[in-house]
Amino acid sequence: DAGVIQSPRHEVTEMGQEVTLRCKPISGHNSLFWYRQTMMRGLELLIYFNNNVPIDDSGMPEDRFSAKMPNASFSTLKIQPSEPRDSAVYFCASRSSGNTIYFGEGSWLTVV
Amino acid sequence: KNEVEQSPQNLTAQEGEFITINCSYSVGISALHWLQQHPGGGIVSLFMLSSGKKKHGRLIATINIQEKHSSLHITASHPRDSAVYICAVANFGNEKLTFGTGTRLTIIP
Repeated sequence: DAGVIQSPRHEVTEMGQEVTLRCKPISGHNSLFWYRQTMMRGLELLIYFNNNVPIDDSGMPEDRFSAKMPNASFSTLKIQPSEPRDSAVYFCASRSSGNTIYFGEGSWLTVV
Repeated sequence: KNEVEQSPQNLTAQEGEFITINCSYSVGISALHWLQQHPGGGIVSLFMLSSGKKKHGRLIATINIQEKHSSLHITASHPRDSAVYICAVANFGNEKLTFGTGTRLTIIP
């Protein structure tokens, strides 16, 4: 398996623009997680899905953030409008229940 | 909420030294993960354990459930082991992970 695939790897965008991050989990994994990593706060869970259903979105910073998982093989994290404080590395991860978690390579977002 | 603490925050050692990184948590857990992140890189899961000890190559992870403590050991350390090591815990009945702040390890040749 190719692992968890994220795109884009790097994105630089202007404040106010919409940003969409994409994730393809490992086939057969039923849980998908979106994390954000910053120097100040470390790794934070934004939202996670189980069997394509959002289970906990309490980590989503505000209404500017939204996430969807239309099917078992695809998820998006959208920021609209983006702000400089959203600059971070966004990781997608997947796992099957009770097993090892696998992370993607991350999407490095810079909002200027 | 589970509080996860790692020590030390930073560790510099000479190549070949035996390394120990510690993780303690405040509430009983279903599993503990040790993760590795190289500078500018992705995150790799090294171990997931709920009891006892696991070994993979030069890496050994142990957990003491009663003491709510885990250690990650690296034998015969090498410069390529230089990375940030992160401890993360999963609470019972919950897929969420709570992360420690990480230990930055630097191995000098």
